[in-house]
Amino acid sequence: IAGITQAPTSQILAAGRRMTLRCTQDMRHNAMYWYRQDLGLGLRLIHYSNTAGTTGKGEVPDGYSVSRANTDDFPLTLASAVPSQTSVYFCASSVKGSTDTQYFGPGTRLTVL
Amino acid sequence: GQNIDQPTEMTATEGAIVQINCTYQTSGFNGLFWYQQHAGEAPTFLSYNVLDGLEEKGRFSSFLSRSKGYSYLLLKELQMKDSASYLCAVRDSNYQLIWGAGTKLIIKP
Repeated sequence: IAGITQAPTSQILAAGRRMTLRCTQDMRHNAMYWYRQDLGLGLRLIHYSNTAGTTGKGEVPDGYSVSRANTDDFPLTLASAVPSQTSVYFCASSVKGSTDTQYFGPGTRLTVL
Repeated sequence: GQNIDQPTEMTATEGAIVQINCTYQTSGFNGLFWYQQHAGEAPTFLSYNVLDGLEEKGRFSSFLSRSKGYSYLLLKELQMKDSASYLCAVRDSNYQLIWGAGTKLIIKP
């Protein structure tokens, strides 16, 4: 692995179902982030983690949860998906908390019907 | 509230120069980033400004005026591969990135 990987690449999900988007980085970056990107809007921060074992809420955290059990992995869970969560989800990481440049994974395109 | 403004779309000719503007109103300022995003792909880092002035990196340059809440990205000798969206983001007082909606740049031969 080189950089950040996300899985799945895309997913169609029925409303009400639970879904976990996976994100793994091999750069030993301290901080990781989850964004959603919707047409006509800027990237919006969902949750972040400045270091393993800690997480924080971003601009649009409702309906989402995260965990950071180790440095490499930062999964995002939708407990009960709703159509408004249809979006492209990007995971990103940076070296020193929020003070450094963020590097992005390839994204997951999620459709909730 | 916090706000980042960029033009929605711009068109330019291959070989020419284009300037993409970004104005911002944020709670605090701790740097401004420009990212490039090709359709269907992830954003990739282009430049970072934290002090006033021009930062040059090859064909791309980025300018910042903190007193005016203004930045621009200058792309020279445009190539077809420069067709992409360009995202402006400001790091606020909480060190979180606030993102503009992006400027879609269309390059014509």
